[in-house]
Amino acid sequence: AQKVTQAQTEISVVEKEDVTLDCVYETRDTTYYLFWYKQPPSGELVFLIRRNSFDEQNEISGRYSWNFQKSTSSFNFTITASQVVDSAVYFCALSVISGVGQGFSFIFGKGTRLLVKP
Amino acid sequence: NAGVTQTPKFQVLKTGQSMTLQCAQDMNHEYMSWYRQDPGMGLRLIHYSVGAGITDQGEVPNGYNVSRSTTEDFPLRLLSAAPSQTSVYFCASGTGGSYNEQFFGPGTRLTVL
Repeated sequence: AQKVTQAQTEISVVEKEDVTLDCVYETRDTTYYLFWYKQPPSGELVFLIRRNSFDEQNEISGRYSWNFQKSTSSFNFTITASQVVDSAVYFCALSVISGVGQGFSFIFGKGTRLLVKP
Repeated sequence: NAGVTQTPKFQVLKTGQSMTLQCAQDMNHEYMSWYRQDPGMGLRLIHYSVGAGITDQGEVPNGYNVSRSTTEDFPLRLLSAAPSQTSVYFCASGTGGSYNEQFFGPGTRLTVL
């Protein structure tokens, strides 16, 4: 069975602090994909990043960076110099092939609510 | 492009009533899906479709029906609403395959009394 665990329910930081959001996943599949989505207070879901199971390179995009470690089944997300606009719920998700034909499962973690205070 | 659109934005139903949540996308995506979001539960997959005429169940399909007669539309039907179906419903579309990001609609907030 597939599972995504985001152990941090809520994190509160002061602006300009660095913050890391943890994501641990479980799957027996050798081919899978990991995602991070952001859900700001307005409610929409915004795609941030995708990583496949064969690519363990870390990635940096501006103040955002992602650390993928297959050895610990983790895909952590770090925001450097956080800003008030980063306040949102962040979801980690796992996608594997399942079901009939080309079907697949897309499993979300329960999310981490990040509050950045000015 | 409008992207993924959902109607209505808000809906209140009484227990036992039926209704259809509409979802449409104009990106010619093969893959469409429905999720529900409940407090502290993240998003859970209800049903998905990999193309017109093809649908499959997700994690929480009970109480919901879907069909996919066109590439653009993927309605979600509640046959007999129950209070446990009170949730925010998101429709998503993508180019297919587990490797692609999904584009989400703005959501429908449903309350069942």
